[in-house]
Amino acid sequence: KQEVTQIPAALSVPEGENLVLNCSFTDSAIYNLQWFRQDPGKGLTSLLLIQSSQREQTSGRLNASLDKSSGRSTLYIAASQPGDSATYLCAVCASKIIFGSGTRLSIRP
Amino acid sequence: NAGVTQTPKFRVLKTGQSMTLLCAQDMNHEYMYWYRQDPGMGLRLIHYSVGEGTTAKGEVPDGYNVSRLKKQNFLLGLESAAPSQTSVYFCASSTPGQGLWDTEAFFGQGTRLTVV
Repeated sequence: KQEVTQIPAALSVPEGENLVLNCSFTDSAIYNLQWFRQDPGKGLTSLLLIQSSQREQTSGRLNASLDKSSGRSTLYIAASQPGDSATYLCAVCASKIIFGSGTRLSIRP
Repeated sequence: NAGVTQTPKFRVLKTGQSMTLLCAQDMNHEYMYWYRQDPGMGLRLIHYSVGEGTTAKGEVPDGYNVSRLKKQNFLLGLESAAPSQTSVYFCASSTPGQGLWDTEAFFGQGTRLTVV
């Protein structure tokens, strides 16, 4: 059974720091992995989609990596800003789509 | 461009009442999904549809029914609401790929449902 874990559950850092969010999954037979951002009371916004054949994807200050063999993905945020404060979720897609429970990120001005 | 729109945004039901949540997308997407989000449990797939007139069960389908009579609409029904169905419900849509969810998914703003 696929399980997706995100650690830490919450993270608070000062503005300007680079940071890494972690996502681990137990079954490496996946089609792809997607990172989302969720603001309070809002829906999810897709940030990056990594296909199973890819190692990483980049969008602006965000970089996501995927290591299927070890069951890990990381989301790297460079030069963090207060506007980056949100909950970040990863989801793996195989025969089902399984979400992690998210990391709540707070960037202190 | 509205994207994915869910109605209503909030609702309070009494145990045993029924209701329908509406999801509408204007992106001509084939795939549509209904999720529920509960604290500490992430999002869980209730039902999904890979095209007009088709539906399939997800991870937690019990107590819910769905219909996809038109490509742009995906309805989620609760026939007899229970307190365990108190949750935030999200609809999403995407275009087909190799897998069930092989392309970027677009989400609605959510419906907060409380069953008392």
